[in-house]
Amino acid sequence: SQELEQSPQSLIVQEGKNLTINCTSSKTLYGLYWYKQKYGEGLIFLMMLQKGGEEKSHEKITAKLDEKKQQSSLHITASQPSHAGIYLCGAAPSGGYQKVTFGTGTKLQVIP
Amino acid sequence: EAQVTQNPRYLITVTGKKLTVTCSQNMNHEYMSWYRQDPGLGLRQIYYSMNVEVTDKGDVPEGYKVSRKEKRNFPLILESPSPNQTSLYFCASKITGGWYYGYTFGSGTRLTVV
Repeated sequence: SQELEQSPQSLIVQEGKNLTINCTSSKTLYGLYWYKQKYGEGLIFLMMLQKGGEEKSHEKITAKLDEKKQQSSLHITASQPSHAGIYLCGAAPSGGYQKVTFGTGTKLQVIP
Repeated sequence: EAQVTQNPRYLITVTGKKLTVTCSQNMNHEYMSWYRQDPGLGLRQIYYSMNVEVTDKGDVPEGYKVSRKEKRNFPLILESPSPNQTSLYFCASKITGGWYYGYTFGSGTRLTVV
C-alpha cells in the first residue's frame, strides 16, 4: 500500500517568515492533494497537482510536484497567524474508486 | 451552500451503547467515505460507498457498520462502541468522474467512548 511521509511533523515560525513542508510518497504519484485542517475541524481543499513539475499557488501558498522524486513541497511565503493549522498531503488514486491515502500531517504554529 | 454535514459534532458515550453518526451531502455526489483521524496515525479509511446500496470496507472497518439507502446520506454505526474507537471521525464525498477536486469533508465528529 502507498504511504506518505510528511516533514517536518511540526513547525513553529515567526510571523512573516517563509516555510516549506515536504511530502514524500513510497510509490508513484498520480496526483497529489494538499489540504489544510484547523485544529479539530474538517479539511479544506487547497490544491491538487497532477503533472510532474506542476506548480500551483493559492494566496501565499505555493505547491510543487516532483514526480521523479515522488515528492511534493508546499511553501508559504510571509507566514501569518491565519496560516496556522495542520497541513495534510493526500495521494490521488491511480484509477477507479480507490481511496485517497493521506500523510500524517504537519502541524504549523505561527507566532505573532 | 455545497457541503457535507455531520452530526453530532461532539459525542461522549459509554462502552457498548449503540450509536449512529449521521452524514449528509447536498452535492449529488455518488462517492462517500468515512475516515477516522488519530494522533500519529493520520487519516484512515473505515468504509466507502460508490453509490446507493454499494458499500465496501476500507482499512479499519472492524467495529463499524454503514448503510447507503439514499445517495445523500451515509451514516456510520457503532453497534457496540469500545474505548479504542475514541477518535475524530470525518465523512467525505466526491464528485463522480474524476479525482481532480478530491474530497469535500464534513466538519468532523469527536467521539469519546468511556
